[in-house]
Order: sequence, then C-alpha cells, then structure tokens
Amino acid sequence: EIQLQESGPGLVKPSQSLSLTCSVTGYTITSGYDWSWIRKFPGNKMEWMGYISNSGSTNYNPSLKIRISITRDTSKNQFFLQLNSVTTEDTATYYCARWGTYYYSSYPDYWGQGVMVTVSS
Amino acid sequence: DIVLTQSPVLAVSLGQRATISCRASQSVSISSINLMHWYQQKPGQQPKLLIYRASNLASGIPARFSGSGSGTDFTLTIDPVQADDIAAYYCQQSRESPFTFGSGTKLEIK
Repeated sequence: EIQLQESGPGLVKPSQSLSLTCSVTGYTITSGYDWSWIRKFPGNKMEWMGYISNSGSTNYNPSLKIRISITRDTSKNQFFLQLNSVTTEDTATYYCARWGTYYYSSYPDYWGQGVMVTVSS
Repeated sequence: DIVLTQSPVLAVSLGQRATISCRASQSVSISSINLMHWYQQKPGQQPKLLIYRASNLASGIPARFSGSGSGTDFTLTIDPVQADDIAAYYCQQSRESPFTFGSGTKLEIK
C-alpha cells in the first residue's frame, strides 16, 4: 500500500524558512509519477505548490517561484519542501501527494495526512 | 491562472440527490479529454480522489458518486446522499500549470 507521511516543525517564525519532509512507502519515487506539495489555508483555499518529477526535474507554482525549492533523497525515498522568507500568510496545512505525470493523469491520487504549520513570532 | 468557482454550501436531505457544480474560467478540455477532477475531504482527514477526468470513478469509490461535464462546466453528483458523505468537495483542473483547485463546497444535511 502506498503511503505518504509529512514531518516537520509545526511553528516557524516570520522571515525564516519552512522545511518539511515527505516519506514515501510502498512505491519508489524514481519509478514514476511526480511528487507534489499542496497546501490548504485556513478558510479552505487549496494551492498546488509544485512537484519534483521521478527524474528529478521540478515545476513550481509561479506565485511561489522565488521562495520555493523541492528536492529529494532517493536513497531514503523522501522528498522535501523548503519555503523561504515565510510570513503569516504561509500558515496552512501542508500535504505531500503523488501526482500523475502525464497531462491526462495530472492529479494527486495518494495524499499524506498533512501537517499544520503556523507562522508566528 | 484558471479560476474554478464552486458554491460554498449545499444542503440536501439524506437519501436525496446532491449536485455540486464547478465552473472554470476557461475550458479545461483537450479534444474529448476533460481535465477536471474531484476530491472529498472530511474534517481532520486528507483529501480523497473521487472522480478523475470528469467522469471516471476512482478505485474504491461507491457508485453513488458520479461526475459529468465538459469545457467549463462540471458536476459531481451524489445519489443517494448518505450521512457519511458529509464533507467538503473540491474540483481541480490539470489543463494547464499552475494546477488550481476550486474553493470547495461543503455538503450539509437539511
């Protein structure tokens, strides 16, 4: 069974960097699919942040492009989110998800449980 | 970016049909492929894929869920509604990056 699990600090200070890890079991992240980060804000708006492909290339939401980095450790079957210069507006629940590679399958079919991150001093 | 518009709340009676709509600011279809997908999210849980490419039922999803639509107008139907269906429902387009989600429709019981 494919499972994804987010981990990382639940509280980050403004102007600092937010760093999260997604650990994947039941599927090797280099075997296929793209591996994505999605966040849900208080008030329920959901935002696709970006993904890292099974080959290691990345695609980011332009709204975050100067602040975001998604990387991976294939030896641990993990991928990571770093979001720089956070503000209170980055307070959200962050999800990692498996994302289909081809345009006709470009949606998340497996999601992690999510981790709530609060940006506050 | 493609904007997806959903009504915030829908109230239905148990056993009745619920019709949840999603309107896109531009077409999300390529030829006959409708790049709209639907998710269910219950409080405290992660979203769950219900319908992909507008009308295809995801694995393990009950047949009372169905989807339809093309171009800019899409519908998720739940018939009959059961108590377990109380949740928020989101649409998402993959016609172009950045991929976007609707604001969600909260299904309530009358």
